[in-house]
Amino acid sequence: GAVVSQHPSWVICKSGTSVKIECRSLDFQATTMFWYRQFPKQSLMLMATSNEGSKATYEQGVEKDKFLINHASLTLSTLTVTSAHPEDSSFYICSAREGLGGRRGSYNEQFFGPGTRLTVL
Amino acid sequence: AQKITQTQPGMFVQEKEAVTLDCTYDTSDPSYGLFWYKQPSSGEMIFLIYQGSYDQQNATEGRYSLNFQKARKSANLVISASQLGDSAMYFCAMREGGTGGFKTIFGAGTRLFVKA
Repeated sequence: GAVVSQHPSWVICKSGTSVKIECRSLDFQATTMFWYRQFPKQSLMLMATSNEGSKATYEQGVEKDKFLINHASLTLSTLTVTSAHPEDSSFYICSAREGLGGRRGSYNEQFFGPGTRLTVL
Repeated sequence: AQKITQTQPGMFVQEKEAVTLDCTYDTSDPSYGLFWYKQPSSGEMIFLIYQGSYDQQNATEGRYSLNFQKARKSANLVISASQLGDSAMYFCAMREGGTGGFKTIFGAGTRLFVKA
């Protein structure tokens, strides 16, 4: 299957700092990327959808000024948690989807990254 | 309103036996896709099986099959011949068509324990 990477895989930071998480599609062009967060023993909650070259669409209740998403290229999307606080500690997972007519022909599939565990002290 | 419902927080199954994980969904979009993912303790999401709303036959992938009952809006996952390595969290997910923005939403999950 297609490969989506995330970096870093885990990060510990102090309260008030900003953290950037990268999501890369390694062998296909991802026209759409999704960001999820998952609290312990809970499900994945969609935070936002980003399309390359346009502004992200945030789900209700997600602060766009706190969770900055940039999808500047077809293989890279970044999530920046600004002024992180302990309640932002979570597992963040990105997923990527190839556009219609892509080389992989995997339009129906959504490929997930391995996740980033953020701990804010 | 909750769109994906998994009513079994936890399930136990004896090794080599079959197990069914329940999933019901709610949508008014005629075009949608249903997915099952496995999440082991490492956290990675492993795609298991996909069923499109227009697919006439139930999807199968190796030991996994999806019991798709469209009128009932259910998409249960059947794992045959359970293995110890099947112990994990299982999520049912749905992606709606154009009106849903092609985003995938997840159910609460079912934790499966396979006993030796």
